[in-house]
Amino acid sequence: EAGVVQSPRYKIIEKKQPVAFWCNPISGHNTLYWYLQNLGQGPELLIRYENEEAVDDSQLPKDRFSAERLKGVDSTLKIQPAELGDSAVYLCASSLVNTDTQYFGPGTRLTVL
Amino acid sequence: AQKITQTQPGMFVQEKEAVTLDCTYDTSDPSYGLFWYKQPSSGEMIFLIYQGSYDQQNATEGRYSLNFQKARKSANLVISASQLGDSAMYFCAMREGMDSSYKLIFGSGTRLLVRP
Repeated sequence: EAGVVQSPRYKIIEKKQPVAFWCNPISGHNTLYWYLQNLGQGPELLIRYENEEAVDDSQLPKDRFSAERLKGVDSTLKIQPAELGDSAVYLCASSLVNTDTQYFGPGTRLTVL
Repeated sequence: AQKITQTQPGMFVQEKEAVTLDCTYDTSDPSYGLFWYKQPSSGEMIFLIYQGSYDQQNATEGRYSLNFQKARKSANLVISASQLGDSAMYFCAMREGMDSSYKLIFGSGTRLLVRP
């Protein structure tokens, strides 16, 4: 069974540019999570989807971050405009239901210059 | 106050020996779950083992076991017979509540280096 797929794996952009990350969860998993992992720290939740509905986006900086999960499968996380402090790894995870074990993708490492 | 504390930023272990990675947690919820994830240099967080607060026995998964001491609020990961491929970051995480909660709270991680 395929795991969580993320792309791109690496992205380097200049500040003020837009960037987007894509995630394809494990087949059949209806809950999808986006996490932010700063260097030397554990991941922190940005947003959680149940099917196509964002049920918790309280940690998402909505002035520059946005996310969508069309049709309740793939998801896209966008930053516009990017700032230097956004340099981090962006992890996507999915679970069968919201109380099940979360399985993570390989992440996208973003560098903002 | 930190919910999950991992006090060992880095650990060394000799190949084939056992190693214990420490994790303490803080919660007033009687119902919670504890997880360990491995993050190799490739970046993916790999699920290793899970312990529920009501589980009577310590969880085991192959070479991984979780030393769960509820009264001390500790959930240490024990890796037996270390292999070179075990070199990675290890994160302890907690989920408070069992019925409706989803949010994982992670510690700051421990970097394990297995020496040949």
